[in-house]
Amino acid sequence: GAGVSQSPSNKVTEKGKDVELRCDPISGHTALYWYRQSLGQGLEFLIYFQGNSAPDKSGLPSDRFSAERTGGSVSTLTIQRTQQEDSAVYLCASSLWGGSDTQYFGPGTRLTVL
Amino acid sequence: QQQVKQSPQSLIVQKGGISIINCAYENTAFDYFPWYQQFPGKGPALLIAIRPDVSEKKEGRFTISFNKSAKQFSLHIMDSQPGDSATYFCAARGHGNNRKLIWGLGTSLAVNP
Repeated sequence: GAGVSQSPSNKVTEKGKDVELRCDPISGHTALYWYRQSLGQGLEFLIYFQGNSAPDKSGLPSDRFSAERTGGSVSTLTIQRTQQEDSAVYLCASSLWGGSDTQYFGPGTRLTVL
Repeated sequence: QQQVKQSPQSLIVQKGGISIINCAYENTAFDYFPWYQQFPGKGPALLIAIRPDVSEKKEGRFTISFNKSAKQFSLHIMDSQPGDSATYFCAARGHGNNRKLIWGLGTSLAVNP
């Protein structure tokens, strides 16, 4: 079946612009995660959605970052007033439910802020 | 505060050799320890995982060794192949309400032909 998809695959923007990154999780997966991966670095947790529960936003680095998940499926990560330090690969993952063992990752969106 | 410490940061192994990557954790409440494999340009994918009720789990050439008393676990790749060249991440997850994965910083493995 279809895996997690993310769009766009690459995004180049100018400093100060807003960007939206999209994630389509695996159908039926109730848990969705966003991570940030800087060049050669580990995975930085950003936000976690589980069903209709309030999202865990504890990893968002600043109030310029926000995310929503509509209808329990597609999620959008928005970065306002982008800065050069926001350049990274943004990864989305989904799992059957929040306690499920396996997270399935999308290919990521590479964001470059000039 | 790094709750899961992974080493080494990078590793070079000859084809046919054994690759060993180590992780140490601090929180005794962790109850699930996966390893993920990431190839360039791809998202990480689950490779193998273990729970603390066993000391070892083997899947093909990949083995996790788990030492609960030392709060350490390691990934062993036997007969390493060039196709194993990737970045490997260990992680740990708690139980109860907080079930987020806590990730190590990754190990870049290069297997020379």
